[in-house]
Order: sequence, then structure tokens, then C-alpha cells
Amino acid sequence: AQSVTQLDSQVPVFEEAPVELRCNYSSSVSVYLFWYVQYPNQGLQLLLKYLSGSTLVESINGFEAEFNKSQTSFHLRKPSVHISDTAEYFCAVSGRTDDKIIFGKGTRLHILP
Amino acid sequence: GAVVSQHPSWVICKSGTSVKIECRSLDFQATTMFWYRQFPKQSLMLMATSNEGSKATYEQGVEKDKFLINHASLTLSTLTVTSAHPEDSSFYICSARDWRTGNYGYTFGSGTRLTVV
Repeated sequence: AQSVTQLDSQVPVFEEAPVELRCNYSSSVSVYLFWYVQYPNQGLQLLLKYLSGSTLVESINGFEAEFNKSQTSFHLRKPSVHISDTAEYFCAVSGRTDDKIIFGKGTRLHILP
Repeated sequence: GAVVSQHPSWVICKSGTSVKIECRSLDFQATTMFWYRQFPKQSLMLMATSNEGSKATYEQGVEKDKFLINHASLTLSTLTVTSAHPEDSSFYICSARDWRTGNYGYTFGSGTRLTVV
């Protein structure tokens, strides 16, 4: 079975400052890793995913995450945040032979003006 | 891209009544859909896996008689909350996997906010 730990429930950061949202996972098998974003009263949108290959994956809106197998981490980063990035961010993991996705508890990103 | 439509987006019902939530894959066929429940400021908890043409697979602790799931076609799964009570008030989200993408893509519906009064 897989599990996901998001170490920070909330992260306040000033606009245009960099941010890192931490995610660690545990699994006895090879995994796929995901970051989803949820805006208030909405469903989840896929931000980026790691399936295989390059350990650094990027989204179209400036976020990136790096898969680190030795540290079992998949931290999400952005060099300069905007007010529009205010949302809940969920890290998720799935075993490669599984259909289920397991979510972390989420990190609320607060952008301060 | 793949689109999953969930309806209604919000519903208020009286205690003791039943509520049906629909989840449709609009431009792809989904043999498997997933139903999640999300409490305020908490993560998504998988409730059940909905399989087209067969019974749903429920997660431990989820009452199958209370949360009825039907997946009658390749594009539609429904979740019925029977005899709803205030503690069933929550945000329910469905998702489906589009196998066409070949890249392990899951698409989520926009969610249904259920309030039982």
C-alpha cells in the first residue's frame, strides 16, 4: 500500500516570492506521483505528474516538482508566486499496477500581498 | 482533453431523503470511475471504485447500503446517498481515467456540495 505525507497544512508566502510545498511518500512498489490543485468549491485539476524518465517535471504555469527516489519525495516548487496561485494543493501517489490514487492531506497556499 | 461532468454542483435536502449525484465522462469511455468524499479543509477520501456493468468496490468503513453506486454505461456512474443525515453533508467528487491518453491521466468532476438539513 502507498501513503503520502504533506508536511505543511498551510504555507503563507508573499507575492513574487518563491515557494516549496513538501511531499513525501511511502511505497513498497514503483509509483506514479501527482500534484493536483483545487480552487474553492471546485474539483481537482492535474498540475503535473511523474511517470518515468526525467525526474524534474514542469507545469505550464511555472510550477515544477522533482522526484527524488532516495528521499522518497516529490516536492513542488515555484520561483515566483502570484495571487492567482492561492489554492489547496494535493500530492498523490499511485502504484504502477493500481487504479487507485491516494491523496495527501493537502497544503493550503496563502499568497500575501 | 478529457472532460468529466458532475451534476448537481450543489444540493440541499431534508434529513431522511435520498440524493442522486451523476458523473459523466463526456468525450471518452470510462470503465472505471472513482467516488471521493472531502470534508472541509481535509483531503479526499476514496469511497468506492465504480466498475461498469458490475458491482462497485467499496473502501473499508464505507456503508455500501447507504452510498449506492451504479455504473450502468461506459459514460455514466451515479452515487445515491440514501436516507441522508446531516453527517453526510460533504463535498463529493468523482473521477475517471481516460485510457486513450496512455499517460495515466485521471480527470476529476467539479464536485457536488451536499448539505443535509
